[in-house]
Formats: sequence, C-alpha cells, structure tokens
Amino acid sequence: DIVMTQSPLSLAVTPGEPASISCRSSQSLLYSNGHNYLDWYVQKPGQAPQLLIYLGSSRASGVPDRFSGSGSGTDFTLKIDRVEAEDVGVYYCMQALQIPTFGGGTKVEIK
Amino acid sequence: QLQLMESGGGVVQPGTSLRVSCAASGFSLKNFGIHWVRQAPGKGLEWVALTSAFGNGETYADFVKGRFTISRDDSRSTVYLQMNSLTGEDTAVYYCAKERIMGLGWNYYNYYGMDVWGQGTTVTVSS
Repeated sequence: DIVMTQSPLSLAVTPGEPASISCRSSQSLLYSNGHNYLDWYVQKPGQAPQLLIYLGSSRASGVPDRFSGSGSGTDFTLKIDRVEAEDVGVYYCMQALQIPTFGGGTKVEIK
Repeated sequence: QLQLMESGGGVVQPGTSLRVSCAASGFSLKNFGIHWVRQAPGKGLEWVALTSAFGNGETYADFVKGRFTISRDDSRSTVYLQMNSLTGEDTAVYYCAKERIMGLGWNYYNYYGMDVWGQGTTVTVSS
C-alpha cells in the first residue's frame, strides 16, 4: 500500500494570510502518462468531503483560485493564498495511483 | 442537480450483515465509477471500494476483501455495499462518491477525482 503522510497535523491561520499543507507519498505518484494521481479534499465541519484539486494541480470546478496544488512524484503541496473564514476544515490528500489511500488530514483553523 | 444519497445505515450486532445503498440523481449512473469511502468516529477518511462503469469490475481495500461486496444496478441508478461479518472496526459514516469524468475511470488511469459526494449513512456495529 502507498502510505500518505501529511503535515502539519493542524494549522491556525490569520484571515488573509497564506497557508500551506504538505503531503508525501511512500512511492512516486507519477504515472507514465505524465499525470500525478493525487487529489486534495476538504471536509468542512459537519459536511461530506469535497474535491479541491485532482491530478496534483488541477483545480476542480467552482474551487476559488486562491487554492492551488503543486508537486510531483512523492512531494505535494496545497496552498491557500489568503485564508478566509469559510476555509476552516480538515484537508486530506489522497493518492489514486494504486488502491486509493488518504493522508491523515490537516485541520485548518482561524486565529 | 447532481446528487448522491446514501441510505440503509443502522445499528447492528457484531458478526451480522448490512447493505447500504447509494442512489444517484441528475446524471446517468451507468457512465461513472462510484466509490465508497468511510470515516470512523473522530477519525480520517478511509477508501473502501469502487464499482467501475461499463462493467469494468470492482476493486476493494484489502481490509474488506471477502467481507464486503460492491454492486450496481444502473437501471435503478443505485450502487450497493453489502457488508458481512461486521466488527466494531467497521463502525463509521459511509460515503459514496462519483468519479468526476465519465468513462473507463480509475482502473484505466482515466481518473480525475471524485466530485460529487453523498451526505453519508452511519453504520454502528455494537452488541
């Protein structure tokens, strides 16, 4: 199984400030077609998860452009340019190269 | 409006079985892979199973192989997860989620995330 490791476990951010979450995989997620099979999801309080980023860096429909995904191989980053109050939640990375596995999650709170 | 709605959760005793359902609306289920993801109380997300579109088969997490069976009835726009030999470790909210792009899906590296999720159904295994 591919193990996904996220850091930090939690993050308290002042509104308007940036935030960054790291996700590392135990094996490369880069497939021969050039795609990195890495998703980012956010689970807001009391809600189901929702897709933010797929293929490592492609923003899903309706996701604000303050969210961006980057990285390749085993190291990936989710960045929020200017955190807003509505961004509070737990952020998960998930690899889809093999049987999907999630990272442990990063809780984002507002200072 | 694209929607998924889970149902069938409940409280069951260890060793028993339960079937949960995922009803799709607003899109043609037959064209999409559907995943089940679960979340134990206070814990993170855990992928469970996939039923691929166009009869391209089923895939399971190792921890449910032989106990859980995913199936689909495209004529009823519904996906099922049959869970047998349940234990306390299966206690969780079970979500179904649709692959973003229609077609061959995850099995063929034609995967672009899971963009529609249901609200979840709660399964509690307890004596």
